Amino acid sequence: SQTIHQWPATLVQPVGSPLSLECTVEGTSNPNLYWYRQAAGRGLQLLFYSVGIGQISSEVPQNLSASRPQDRQFILSSKKLLLSDSGFYLCAWSYDIREAFFGQGTRLTVV
Amino acid sequence: AQTVTQSQPEMSVQEAETVTLSCTYDTSENNYYLFWYKQPPSRQMILVIRQEAYKQQNATENRFSVNFQKAAKSFSLKISDSQLGDTAMYFCAFMKYQGGSEKLVFGKGTKLTVNP
Repeated sequence: SQTIHQWPATLVQPVGSPLSLECTVEGTSNPNLYWYRQAAGRGLQLLFYSVGIGQISSEVPQNLSASRPQDRQFILSSKKLLLSDSGFYLCAWSYDIREAFFGQGTRLTVV
Repeated sequence: AQTVTQSQPEMSVQEAETVTLSCTYDTSENNYYLFWYKQPPSRQMILVIRQEAYKQQNATENRFSVNFQKAAKSFSLKISDSQLGDTAMYFCAFMKYQGGSEKLVFGKGTKLTVNP
């Protein structure tokens, strides 16, 4: 069966520090991968999606970047965090339009 | 661009009663899916129910059912016999066929509270 792992679960980082959130999927190959952000009391905003290794599409201009170095690995990064980067980050994968599967999420607090 | 609108930021219902959450969407496509996801306090996203646009019959999963009105671009969720465990954020979402680069687009969510 397929599983998705996302870590860390919580993270507190100072302003200006770098960020690396990792997501890996097991039990499937060539999935579509997604990073979403959920700000407090708001919906899910799609940040990045990837249809293959090295293929990244950005949905909104921002302080973050994403990379897909391996088929089932998706990384969300920042060189210098801003206060506005605080939020709940969710990784997801799908294989077609019938469903998407989500990780447990990372709560990021920038202080 | 596709958009999903949930006009009810918050709703409440008494235990054992029925509640309906509203969702409208905007698309010019014909091949797509609609979803309702539940996000409990644990924040894990859980698929509640999905509807394929080509199917006229409304989807049903136990106490959860949808009213899919394709022409009106409306996709409401009905929860019958509400339970305390149904308390959660509910997100309506849309995904269209896009040649392998499908994206799930969400509404802003409805916070549902089931009262004892």
